[in-house]
Amino acid sequence: QQPVQSPQAVILREGEDAVINCSSSKALYSVHWYRQKHGEAPVFLMILLKGGEQKGHDKISASFNEKKQQSSLYLTASQLSYSGTYFCGTDSGNTPLVFGKGTRLSVIA
Amino acid sequence: KAGVTQTPRYLIKTRGQQVTLSCSPISGHRSVSWYQQTPGQGLQFLFEYFSETQRNKGNFPGRFSGRQFSNSRSEMNVSTLELGDSALYLCASSLVSPSDTEAFFGQGTRLTVV
Repeated sequence: QQPVQSPQAVILREGEDAVINCSSSKALYSVHWYRQKHGEAPVFLMILLKGGEQKGHDKISASFNEKKQQSSLYLTASQLSYSGTYFCGTDSGNTPLVFGKGTRLSVIA
Repeated sequence: KAGVTQTPRYLIKTRGQQVTLSCSPISGHRSVSWYQQTPGQGLQFLFEYFSETQRNKGNFPGRFSGRQFSNSRSEMNVSTLELGDSALYLCASSLVSPSDTEAFFGQGTRLTVV
């Protein structure tokens, strides 16, 4: 079952922060975050495992609330290079990795 | 090391025809997953192969099929094409499973059905 992402789209000015949310109706084992820039393949950002701590990747970090079956991706002090579509992927244990519909992030100068 | 290679990059087919897409994973990777990407629907899971066996299948009609060879290369086939099959088809390569580790995506095959 496809996880639900919000917001669907967001526009930021350079230096602003953003949060992208991902929720599932199923118990989750892990949450994965990918970014896809226009015309390119999705690229891995990070995995959050059940029982694991919050992850970070430069100024991009994420959290995973197992009880609520939710994850959030935090983008701090956004840069033009952060523009793209962000996908969360969820795994409920011995299931395929299924992705949400994506959140389109546009960072403008 | 070489990335994930998908061929062809672009295809135009007529309704009713069939098509075969190919994916060569990163050397040493044994898992290949296929996704359909359309505007507004995100990445829809098609199927996953590991060591020549289909491990998972998404909610797509039987017209969509796939296979994996002993060298881990994978193909997917769509028969009796419909206009709605127009999409970007992406394959993802993983060591064992995309659910456990980082998956590497290919550039995709853009299929247009007319």
